[in-house]
Amino acid sequence: GEDVEQSLFLSVREGDSSVINCTYTDSSSTYLYWYKQEPGAGLQLLTYIFSNMDMKQDQRLTVLLNKKDKHLSLRIADTQTGDSAIYFCADHNQGGKLIFGQGTELSVKP
Amino acid sequence: GAVVSQHPSRVICKSGTSVKIECRSLDFQATTMFWYRQFPKQSLMLMATSNEGSKATYEQGVEKDKFLINHASLTLSTLTVTSAHPEDSSFYICSARDIHEQYFGPGTRLTVT
Repeated sequence: GEDVEQSLFLSVREGDSSVINCTYTDSSSTYLYWYKQEPGAGLQLLTYIFSNMDMKQDQRLTVLLNKKDKHLSLRIADTQTGDSAIYFCADHNQGGKLIFGQGTELSVKP
Repeated sequence: GAVVSQHPSRVICKSGTSVKIECRSLDFQATTMFWYRQFPKQSLMLMATSNEGSKATYEQGVEKDKFLINHASLTLSTLTVTSAHPEDSSFYICSARDIHEQYFGPGTRLTVT
């Protein structure tokens, strides 16, 4: 079946860039999403990219998509302590459902 | 972005009782809403897809008689956990689809004692 994989933890220093990686198996995915979840809260949609795009930039966020390798990344520039959270990538499959990765816990140290 | 609300945010109930959770899209109409369950330190597990005016579609392994879903209007879906047991304790999150984007509610923490 469809699968989405992420590394579980990432630790960076404040002011550095963070890169969170994600791989997926669905060759027919249409959109890929990045969500942020803070403790005890729901998911906040950060950005998404159409599968026919290679890159999308939105302020401090840059999404790169390598469709051939089925690899998605989220780069956060000038990472701040407020960026500490769990980041989920998700694949929108043909059935209209979101398939989530396990989430990457980003820790930002001052 | 669009806003999705959930009510209540936290609920504690006794074993054997039923609990209703509401999910509302506040500034858009959602023909499709989704209900997820999330265990601590884990990803979201899709429970069911709720379509306005029709029966919900449940994922494999989710008991439709235990988790009743009603999507009576374009802005409201409800999840009722019937005859709740301690193993139903979890974080329940709904989402609503607006064209290509799916927005999530803040979640409901259910504790069954």
